[in-house]
Amino acid sequence: EVQLAESGGGLVQPGGSLRLSCAGSGFILSSHAMSWVRQAPGKGLEWVSGISHKGDSTYYADSVKGRFTISRDNSKNTLYLQLNTLRADDTAVYYCARDCWSCGFDYWGQGTLVTVSS
Amino acid sequence: DIQMTQSPSSLSASVGDRVTITCRASQDISNHLAWYQQKPGKVPERLIYGTSTLQSGVPSRFSGSGSGTEFTLIISSLQPEDVATYYCQKYNSVPLTFGGGTRVEVK
Repeated sequence: EVQLAESGGGLVQPGGSLRLSCAGSGFILSSHAMSWVRQAPGKGLEWVSGISHKGDSTYYADSVKGRFTISRDNSKNTLYLQLNTLRADDTAVYYCARDCWSCGFDYWGQGTLVTVSS
Repeated sequence: DIQMTQSPSSLSASVGDRVTITCRASQDISNHLAWYQQKPGKVPERLIYGTSTLQSGVPSRFSGSGSGTEFTLIISSLQPEDVATYYCQKYNSVPLTFGGGTRVEVK
């Protein structure tokens, strides 16, 4: 069974940093591109960042470019998102999602909450 | 970047009603469109991909159509368990933008 499990969320002060992880199981992570999607409280879905299956190409939404870094360790079947220079409007549930090769996101994790507040 | 615009932003319909949600892309995205359902307090789930291909296990009352810049999600007979917010998403190129969502309620 394919599963994605995020971790690393929490409360952080403005300007601070966090590193989110997404552990995959039941499939070979290196076979898929992956993305992070976030959802601010009461708001819609926002695609944040994506990475190719090999990790050699990365992509970012304008809202996080230069502050967030996506990476992956295929040997550990794990996806990461480094969040730096955090702002209050980065407060959201962050989901990792598996890209099913040009057919959208077929599996999502349960999400991890990031709260940016002083 | 291509913008995705959904309408309406919310709707309320009776059980058994036909419900139509529209998603418009600001540029041609061919058929590279997916629909997701997010029930209250739950994780989003893919309903449809490739504009019209139903995810395995999704009831046949859901259908998708369109091409290019205009797409439609139809629920042919609304059920109480369909209460959710529905999102379209383009995936032809990055950014993989979502529409703003359509909240569906039952009267």
